[in-house]
Amino acid sequence: GQQVMQIPQYQHVQEGEDFTTYCNSSTTLSNIQWYKQRPGGHPVFLIQLVKSGEVKKQKRLTFQFGEAKKNSSLHITATQTTDVGTYFCAGGGYSSASKIIFGSGTRLSIRP
Amino acid sequence: GAGVSQSPRYKVAKRGQDVALRCDPISGHVSLFWYQQALGQGPEFLTYFQNEAQLDKSGLPSDRFFAERPEGSVSTLKIQRTQQEDSAVYLCASSVKDRFVEGEQFFGPGTRLTVL
Repeated sequence: GQQVMQIPQYQHVQEGEDFTTYCNSSTTLSNIQWYKQRPGGHPVFLIQLVKSGEVKKQKRLTFQFGEAKKNSSLHITATQTTDVGTYFCAGGGYSSASKIIFGSGTRLSIRP
Repeated sequence: GAGVSQSPRYKVAKRGQDVALRCDPISGHVSLFWYQQALGQGPEFLTYFQNEAQLDKSGLPSDRFFAERPEGSVSTLKIQRTQQEDSAVYLCASSVKDRFVEGEQFFGPGTRLTVL
């Protein structure tokens, strides 16, 4: 069945450093979504990518969808303490039976 | 401007008890999802409703789990004869889209279930 893997599991960076998390699917995806979950909070939608090779930016965040639509990445430039949390990718398949499958997340912590 | 609400926020149950978890989605949202989130893991899909129709319940871990959305708005997830492995945060999400895999999902705060 469809699986979505996410690496790394944890990332601890100095404030101001960059951060990247990677998401890989075992099957071709129709779309990929990214969510952020603050400690003790619930997932909050960041963005959805649909097109092969798509790149979207939100301020310091850059999201990419691979050409084969099987992988994605989230890159944060010059991290700030407000970026702390767990970042999840969630992939959707093409078949009518497909569902959104969440990765296990990358927990970002930041040294001030 | 209410978001998705869930109640109770916390539930402690003795093993073998039945529990009912409630979700109030955003008004007018067609799609409603239930997820189970274990500590340190991503949300794991349980079931999906489009209006009142339960279109996918393939993620429900056993027949002790039952979900309903009788009028296409409020949904209830019921767990019968709770077991310790049911301890988790149960998240509800809704979406304005009627396609299962498209569209932003708005999550509620979750219900943290602890089974003793």
